[in-house]
Amino acid sequence: EVQLLESGGGLVQPGGSLRLSCAASGFTFSDYAMGWVRQAPGKGLEWVSGISDGGGSDTYYADSVKGRFTISRDNSKNTLYVQMNSLRVEDTAVYYCAKRPPGGRSIDSWGQGALVTVST
Amino acid sequence: DVVMTQSPLSLPVTLGQPASISCRSTQSLVHSDGNTYLSWFQQRPGQSPRRLVYQVSNRDSGVPDRFSGSGSGTDFTLKISRVEAEDVGVYYCMQGTHWPPGFTFGPGTKVDIK
Repeated sequence: EVQLLESGGGLVQPGGSLRLSCAASGFTFSDYAMGWVRQAPGKGLEWVSGISDGGGSDTYYADSVKGRFTISRDNSKNTLYVQMNSLRVEDTAVYYCAKRPPGGRSIDSWGQGALVTVST
Repeated sequence: DVVMTQSPLSLPVTLGQPASISCRSTQSLVHSDGNTYLSWFQQRPGQSPRRLVYQVSNRDSGVPDRFSGSGSGTDFTLKISRVEAEDVGVYYCMQGTHWPPGFTFGPGTKVDIK
């Protein structure tokens, strides 16, 4: 059974940094592209970032986070990361780790989410 | 950029009755490989999203057969043949054809019981 477990969420001040982790199990992590999706309180889903399978040489970002967020993966630890810098109030959201199926053009599994709150 | 719209945004339904959600894209979702990468997700209250349908009409494992997806090009539909109490939640369509830079979600349709 696929399991994705996010950690690292919390309260941070505007301009601060946070790193989220997603521990994956139940599948061969290195074989799959992954990504992050967020959901602001009471709002819809927003794609944040994606990374290719294998070594993760290809990364993609939504315009709203480009230059501030960095996605990475450590296949030896079966873990996906997102480093979030220069955080803004509008980055407040639940961040979901997402597994992409072969071909990468959908999401077939989601984590339980990690809440990031950016506030003074 | 591709924009996804859904209608209605709110859908009160009677138990046992059918329900239908429309999803439209501003560009064709037919990929150059011939596939159409349109998925549907269900998000029950307090839960993570769950995929129901991929590539327009393929149901995921474990998804009840009362859910069905259809459509082509820019116009897609998710139908629930007979709504049950456990179907309450928000339903999102998502395109994966125009990648990169990433996926585009519809705004969501909230389904609740009358």
